[in-house]
Amino acid sequence: AQSVTQLGSHVSVSEGALVLLRCNYSSSVPPYLFWYVQYPNQGLQLLLKYTTGATLVKGINGFEAEFKKSETSFHLTKPSAHMSDAAEYFCAVSRDSGGSNYKLTFGKGTLLTVNP
Amino acid sequence: DTGVSQDPRHKITKRGQNVTFRCDPISEHNRLYWYRQTLGQGPEFLTYFQNEAQLEKSRLLSDRFSAERPKGSFSTLEIQRTEQGDSAMYLCASSLVAGSPEAFFGQGTRLTVV
Repeated sequence: AQSVTQLGSHVSVSEGALVLLRCNYSSSVPPYLFWYVQYPNQGLQLLLKYTTGATLVKGINGFEAEFKKSETSFHLTKPSAHMSDAAEYFCAVSRDSGGSNYKLTFGKGTLLTVNP
Repeated sequence: DTGVSQDPRHKITKRGQNVTFRCDPISEHNRLYWYRQTLGQGPEFLTYFQNEAQLEKSRLLSDRFSAERPKGSFSTLEIQRTEQGDSAMYLCASSLVAGSPEAFFGQGTRLTVV
């Protein structure tokens, strides 16, 4: 079974500061990893994904994440926070032992607040 | 816009009533998923279809829940005899079987059972 743990249900940063949202996963097979963002009363928008290949992946809006197999982590970062980044962020893992099921298992989410 | 479309966006119903939600996936996507999201939680998988076949159902999907995807296009999720615990955001997503595995989500249907 797969699982995702997001450390910190709420992260608060100042505008212009580094954003670091933590995600650790558990998977018995090489995982596919995703970060999604959700604005209030909206669906989820994909920020970035890791499937294979380069472990540092870049996404939209200046976000990036690094897959570290030894640490079973996929932390999300952005060098400089903007007010528009305030939202809830979800880390997710997919891929079953057969390799073809893309059902997502999500973490509980991290609410990012950006202070002026 | 050719993204995933869900209808209605909001639904308020009385306990015991039946409700039905619709999802129109991205047209070339053959996989369709339903998730449920309660306050303060991440989305939880309910069920998924590949074309018209329902291939997996979560144990969260009680007998009061049924989902269909006739002709492998749009999907409906019906909840019979709604309970207050059914209040949640119901999210639909779609993806391709082959190629890039990411799922694209709709805006969701927020259900409130009073």
